[in-house]
Formats: sequence, structure tokens, C-alpha cells
Amino acid sequence: AQKITQTQPGMFVQEKEAVTLDCTYDTSDQSYGLFWYKQPSSGEMIFLIYQGSYDEQNATEGRYSLNFQKARKSANLVISASQLGDSAMYFCAMREGLLNAGNMLTFGGGTRLMVKP
Amino acid sequence: KAGVTQTPRYLIKTRGQQVTLSCSPISGHRSVSWYQQTPGQGLQFLFEYFSETQRNKGNFPGRFSGRQFSNSRSEMNVSTLELGDSALYLCASSGGDTHTDTQYFGPGTRLTVL
Repeated sequence: AQKITQTQPGMFVQEKEAVTLDCTYDTSDQSYGLFWYKQPSSGEMIFLIYQGSYDEQNATEGRYSLNFQKARKSANLVISASQLGDSAMYFCAMREGLLNAGNMLTFGGGTRLMVKP
Repeated sequence: KAGVTQTPRYLIKTRGQQVTLSCSPISGHRSVSWYQQTPGQGLQFLFEYFSETQRNKGNFPGRFSGRQFSNSRSEMNVSTLELGDSALYLCASSGGDTHTDTQYFGPGTRLTVL
């Protein structure tokens, strides 16, 4: 089974509108971390936001927020007030278990977001 | 702080050759991880080094190897290159020792094998 599933290969959003990118995950670990990264066409992966499995509040970073629903094993990224520069690939990733066991991220297949002017 | 740097940025090799990629982490970071990104397989974890020791390894053949130096800089080596090794190789660094540890990525090395 896929550990990280992103069901939206591509999405369009109108500039200045909000958009939600879906991510579901599968793990039997109690301790895990969830991450979202942005990858523009240049190739570099840019860290956006982090949510720990024990965090009770949804993470927020500027225009980015993470809608964390632990029971449903979902960690959707919400981008408010979309900008043209938000056009990129977006990846959801997970690190399972304790950090001293290794620092491996498992990535989903990504969602290509295109912002329309 | 300066970000993660990777050299070279682009590389063209032929089958059978070997290649070494370099990664300099953010100052103070002790963990360096390597990932391979291809259109077909997506992003896949290669290995992680922490304080000069390989702490975790992905499911790649032994042709892929790495090491980390005392200054936390890391190198990745691929021997006997195959066409399928053409990919974007991304390096990420992090402190590696807190439960909120976040990996920061470099710009990547794009390897083309002819």
C-alpha cells in the first residue's frame, strides 16, 4: 500500500482564491511527522510546513495551513490567497518513527498546482 | 545562513562510468540525506548520514554509496552507471536530533546518463 497518497495530479486555482491540496497517509507508528514541500520548475524543494503526530493544533505558516485529521489519516495543505508564484509541484511527505532510527522521508506523487491570473 | 549547496548542478556521463556528487549542508546541521527523483518513480530515499555514520538506507543497489566527512559535507557515488540512473539527485540537511527535525533541500544535481 502507498504510504503517502496525493490523489490530485493537477489542479487549477484562480489568483487570490484559496486552494486545498489533498494528502492521505498510512502508518502504524504513533510518532510521525508530516511535511509539505513546494518544487518550482527550477527543481529545488522548498519546505512549507510541518505537523507532528502529537500536535493538537493545526500548523500554520503565513498563507499555508495544514488541515490535520488524525483519525482519517489526512494532512491537507491549504493555501490562502493564491499568487502566480504558487504555481509549482507540491509534495506531501512523512517521516515515521523516532528520529534516532533514521531520518527518511517518504513522498507522495505530488500535485501540480497552476494559478490562473 | 547559507543554504544547502550541491555540486555539480548538471552532469552528463556515459554508461559504465562512475560519478561523485557533493553536498554541503547548512552550517550546524549534522544530518545529510540523499534522494533520487525520476518521472517514473518519483522521489525515493537513498540514504542518510548523521555524524559521519550511515543511519538509514533506502532500497537501492550497492552501486549507490555515500559518505560523510567530519565537517558534515557528504558525497554520493554511483558506480557502473546505467541509463536508468538519469535523475535529479537531491540532498537535504537537517539538525537530525529533534523530533521536529525538518530537512532543507539543495538545488539538486541533474545527472544524464547516455
